[in-house]
Amino acid sequence: EAQVTQNPRYLITVTGKKLTVTCSQNMNHEYMSWYRQDPGLGLRQIYYSMNVEVTDKGDVPEGYKVSRKEKRNFPLILESPSPNQTSLYFCASSLDGRTANTEAFFGQGTRLTVV
Amino acid sequence: AQSVAQPEDQVNVAEGNPLTVKCTYSVSGNPYLFWYVQYPNRGLQFLLKYITGDNLVKGSYGFEAEFNKSQTSFHLKKPSALVSDSALYFCAVRERGGFKTIFGAGTRLFVKA
Repeated sequence: EAQVTQNPRYLITVTGKKLTVTCSQNMNHEYMSWYRQDPGLGLRQIYYSMNVEVTDKGDVPEGYKVSRKEKRNFPLILESPSPNQTSLYFCASSLDGRTANTEAFFGQGTRLTVV
Repeated sequence: AQSVAQPEDQVNVAEGNPLTVKCTYSVSGNPYLFWYVQYPNRGLQFLLKYITGDNLVKGSYGFEAEFNKSQTSFHLKKPSALVSDSALYFCAVRERGGFKTIFGAGTRLFVKA
């Protein structure tokens, strides 16, 4: 089954404790992206990756890091989480980033709470 | 600045009636336009997209969307709403040749039986 898998689904952590949210896709997609969803703000793009070893900032990259060492994986790293990073996070992938084949497949989401 | 607006936080409609969820955008050029749906505790699911050509695009679950270039709008429509259509709907825009996707704030659709 074609899917994007995120882990964990739920996470409560304390301020400053480094964490990683994993994302994996099994569709051989080139393009992957991370979003955060906040009430009234919709989805905002954090980082995206056009292919292995190629990443770039989205609209809200501060406080986040990513890496793309393999095509299927795109982890999101919070080096020192703060309460304002409490949010619902989604990973998404699509065939490529520029052509018309750009509809995204989304993971189930990770609800992160930073206390 | 590029932006996507969904002017209604919530749309209420009776089952069997037509529904419209509005979306307008401010993006240069001729962008790709998308609609996604989010059911509770789920990720977003693709509904339909506009690339070029016919202004009326048909998608999943009986939904369609009308592109209007002069009004820079891409409204989502369905002729006859179902209770199961109740969900959160997002309009999204991607500039051609660009890598970033901009989402609207979302519109919650509530279909009453």
